[in-house]
Amino acid sequence: RKEVEQDPGPFNVPEGATVAFNCTYSNSASQSFFWYRQDCRKEPKLLMSVYSSGNEDGRFTAQLNRASQYISLLIRDSKLSDSATYLCVVNLNTGGFKTIFGAGTRLFVKA
Amino acid sequence: SAVISQKPSRDICQRGTSLTIQCQVDSQVTMMFWYRQQPGQSLTLIATANQGSEATYESGFVIDKFPISRPNLTFSTLTVSNMSPEDSSIYLCSAQTGSGNTIYFGEGSWLTVV
Repeated sequence: RKEVEQDPGPFNVPEGATVAFNCTYSNSASQSFFWYRQDCRKEPKLLMSVYSSGNEDGRFTAQLNRASQYISLLIRDSKLSDSATYLCVVNLNTGGFKTIFGAGTRLFVKA
Repeated sequence: SAVISQKPSRDICQRGTSLTIQCQVDSQVTMMFWYRQQPGQSLTLIATANQGSEATYESGFVIDKFPISRPNLTFSTLTVSNMSPEDSSIYLCSAQTGSGNTIYFGEGSWLTVV
């Protein structure tokens, strides 16, 4: 089982749709959680951190369920510019910090 | 946050040659890393660049092929040695900093080996 698993997609949605991505992690020593966005042929960029209480940034909402070892990202009112790959990222502390990247979920938003 | 500059941004190299990629961070950071991402694939960690000591390599990566330097807390280099077409990839420098140990990336170095 991979340490961080994501549905690879692709998700094809129309503009204005709401889309949700899920991510599960296997190591209970996971301490911090993030969603990154990667555009084609670009470097990954931090989209948002994920907190246990849930957090929102404009059209984006991230949630963490530690009991189920599950992270989600909700995008409301999708824009064409949201088309990208979304990476789930987990930091472990197992005597030293280790960062695990999910393989990413591809999103295409269509006009 | 951290601003990370990499150079070269892209290069086309002959097989059998070596290329050194430079990475500069705008602030002192404890942890720097080098990743590779081949077309259509996810990120693969090559090594952790340790300041003042030898880099820590992941399984499948060795120092002879990917020598790394980290002379101070803001700078690192990765060399891709004796290149073959299989080394064609984007190489990404990253630094870990801030609350929650967030990872920030440079813009990447696109390497094509012919």
